[in-house]
Amino acid sequence: GAVVSQHPSRVICKSGTSVKIECRSLDFQATTMFWYRQFPKKSLMLMATSNEGSKATYEQGVEKDKFLINHASLTLSTLTVTSAHPEDSSFYICSAITFEYNEQFFGPGTRLTVL
Amino acid sequence: AQSVAQPEDQVNVAEGNPLTVKCTYSVSGNPYLFWYVQYPNRGLQFLLKYITGDNLVKGSYGFEAEFNKSQTSFHLKKPSALVSDSALYFCAVRGYGGATNKLIFGTGTLLAVQP
Repeated sequence: GAVVSQHPSRVICKSGTSVKIECRSLDFQATTMFWYRQFPKKSLMLMATSNEGSKATYEQGVEKDKFLINHASLTLSTLTVTSAHPEDSSFYICSAITFEYNEQFFGPGTRLTVL
Repeated sequence: AQSVAQPEDQVNVAEGNPLTVKCTYSVSGNPYLFWYVQYPNRGLQFLLKYITGDNLVKGSYGFEAEFNKSQTSFHLKKPSALVSDSALYFCAVRGYGGATNKLIFGTGTLLAVQP
């Protein structure tokens, strides 16, 4: 199966700083990538859908200026949490899809803790 | 609107016994259904999917799921549970039609297998 990586796996930052999370498809070209947020013992909440070379589509209630998504190439999407606050602390998971496969492949997740 | 319901927050089963994790769905048109498993602080791992064909779908790690159109269910099953099966299980349905490949997740069911 296809492999998706995320970096970093864990990050701790101070309130007010910005944090960038990378999502890479390692052995396939991802036409679309998704960013999810997961609270403890809760389901995944889709934040946005990103297509290579175009602006991300954000879900209702997700602040696009807060969560900046860039999908610069077919193998890389980045999520930047700007001016992070403690309430942004969460587990962020990306996934990628390609027309060759009929399923999403998920990254291992990034644990963000904002102090 | 499409939705997925997992009615049980937690399922407890003794090792060696059969297990069932329930999922019901509501979609317009034919559903694309998925099961994923998540271990602590990890991303989601694909278990199995139903697109079309046989109602009984076999997946990874000895899991299977039965698609029941009349009951709009897609319950996950395994004949003999292992302690290592203890994890969080998510049922999901894929958006139907158009360019969307969004997955709609259930709330998750925590499976606890006692030795």
